[in-house]
Amino acid sequence: GENVEQHPSTLSVQEGDSAVIKCTYSDSASNYFPWYKQELGKGPQLIIDIRSNVGEKKDQRIAVTLNKTAKHFSLHITETQPEDSAVYFCAAIVNNFNKFYFGSGTKLNVKP
Amino acid sequence: SQTIHQWPATLVQPVGSPLSLECTVEGTSNPNLYWYRQAAGRGLQLLFYSVGIGQISSEVPQNLSASRPQDRQFILSSKKLLLSDSGFYLCAWSVGLNTEAFFGQGTRLTVV
Repeated sequence: GENVEQHPSTLSVQEGDSAVIKCTYSDSASNYFPWYKQELGKGPQLIIDIRSNVGEKKDQRIAVTLNKTAKHFSLHITETQPEDSAVYFCAAIVNNFNKFYFGSGTKLNVKP
Repeated sequence: SQTIHQWPATLVQPVGSPLSLECTVEGTSNPNLYWYRQAAGRGLQLLFYSVGIGQISSEVPQNLSASRPQDRQFILSSKKLLLSDSGFYLCAWSVGLNTEAFFGQGTRLTVV
């Protein structure tokens, strides 16, 4: 099956700085890559996603990049705010299968 | 709009007791349904997924089972809980192929 690795496990930044979280995947047939934000005691919420036919996608302060050749994708958060503090998960789904494989998560702490 | 309900929110059960967690989805038909477990400070482990009534795929051998008695109902069960079954259990749904999954708010299970 697919194997998704995520780094770093924890990330601490100053408010206003940028944060980058990186993931790699193993199955070249994976073609959909969502990112989720999980606040304490809640279920993960989708924040952005990217498909394999696109190299970059942006939504206000959040962007995701995908390098299919290298099999890695990254989440970029600019102008971080304290409310961005949460655990972020990347995921990959193999083409035409319905199973989501998640990374191990990154705990982001934005210091005011 | 689609919603997902998961209950109970918290549960404390003694070792050896049975378990039944329920998840229902509203506002969509024939969803893909998932059960994930999240140990404290860890990532999301896929336990079961289902693409239709009575169709259950298990990802890892364990002390748990799942059933889908109705199109939008997914149940996670155990006959005898173990201490190692403690964790945060999340139900999720998606529709079709290669689309985002939406998570419920989770059940915090503590086996004592």
